[in-house]
Amino acid sequence: DAKTTQPPSMDCAEGRAANLPCNHSTISGNEYVYWYRQIHSQGPQYIIHGLKNNETNEMASLIITEDRKSSTLILPHATLRDTAVYYCIVRRAGGGADGLTFGKGTHLIIQP
Amino acid sequence: NAGVTQTPKFRILKIGQSMTLQCTQDMNHNYMYWYRQDPGMGLKLIYYSVGAGITDKGEVPNGYNVSRSTTEDFPLRLELAAPSQTSVYFCASSWVGQGNEKLFFGSGTQLSVL
Repeated sequence: DAKTTQPPSMDCAEGRAANLPCNHSTISGNEYVYWYRQIHSQGPQYIIHGLKNNETNEMASLIITEDRKSSTLILPHATLRDTAVYYCIVRRAGGGADGLTFGKGTHLIIQP
Repeated sequence: NAGVTQTPKFRILKIGQSMTLQCTQDMNHNYMYWYRQDPGMGLKLIYYSVGAGITDKGEVPNGYNVSRSTTEDFPLRLELAAPSQTSVYFCASSWVGQGNEKLFFGSGTQLSVL
């Protein structure tokens, strides 16, 4: 699975859109981009995933660049409860049995 | 919907003691996983299972054992607990299919070995 690079921390004002970047310059054609988040002391929570096209669900939007070498997770109206560590993970289709690799992620702090 | 249930939530062990962390899921997922997370770090995979009767080692399996006798249950056994095993343990499950690997995590077990 391709390696990802994320900033260690970011701040965002409450009510604003939080844009979390992820670099995955070595991504292969059959690899998906997944985003999870971990609120303090809880288990990670799935947010969204995508292959090529932009994706949106009730939690967030995922924007993947045309060359697929980077992506951005957008939380449209951040609230204090969105303060968490956000993990960007690249994973090949069908995955395999060995789970997802969680790095250190981005610690997003929503400021009141 | 219970999802993934882990017990206990907290435990303190003395060096050399043993214990079993319980994990059960009610989503009929085929894959199950055990991760550990040390303070300020990402998650590291201990063991995983692709189905009942099949288990395999992850990145950090030493000092642990697992079994998967049913689809629902995936207990993690610590033999001869050591201070290095002080960590938060998360169990997860997923239905692995084409392009869809949403992992569902339990709420974790915080273990201290003193």
